[in-house]
Amino acid sequence: DTEVTQTPKHLVMGMTNKKSLKCEQHMGHRAMYWYKQKAKKPPELMFVYSYEKLSINESVPSRFSPECPNSSLLNLHLHALQPEDSALYLCASSQQDRGAEKLFFGSGTQLSVL
Amino acid sequence: GENVEQHPSTLSVQEGDSAVIKCTYSDSASNYFPWYKQELGKRPQLIIDIRSNVGEKKDQRIAVTLNKTAKHFSLHITETQPEDSAVYFCAASMGGGGNKLTFGTGTQLKVEL
Repeated sequence: DTEVTQTPKHLVMGMTNKKSLKCEQHMGHRAMYWYKQKAKKPPELMFVYSYEKLSINESVPSRFSPECPNSSLLNLHLHALQPEDSALYLCASSQQDRGAEKLFFGSGTQLSVL
Repeated sequence: GENVEQHPSTLSVQEGDSAVIKCTYSDSASNYFPWYKQELGKRPQLIIDIRSNVGEKKDQRIAVTLNKTAKHFSLHITETQPEDSAVYFCAASMGGGGNKLTFGTGTQLKVEL
């Protein structure tokens, strides 16, 4: 299995809602990432988990809360989002080893905040 | 932190022609340089990568060159086909998993029949 699976594929939420994005991989990767991508822009790193511990937080607002329950799962909890948070949210995973850091991206969750 | 610049932002070529996309990076500690292709509505997919101990790498119609001294790296696509039409992103990192990968701004490549 060389896939990173993300659910849901699409999500529409109001500014007062709480929702979660889910990501799963079974490649034995120990680094997992959340990226945000606006239309026609490059992916922007939000968070990195390394061995299930948060290792990088790119100064993301607290309305985004990541969670890594185990080595295969990564969640992104959303609360009180703003319309400008509408974007494609991409999960990715990789090995930890130097020389094996190829990122495998999921298909993303297209989020619309109304 | 690392800054990656990418040019051109759009590139239109005739089928069968070559396409070249160029990137520069700022952090001399970066040593891993992947290229991603993203078709409309799809995930970014790695097409080729190069490490700083190598000057050139080729995979069929795709090649990447790296000039570590000048902090430049380029993607070369030969014999372009319509299915090569996509957005291409270069990126740079210090290598190893769990590190930040900084992306360039992207190049929209259109291959015309």
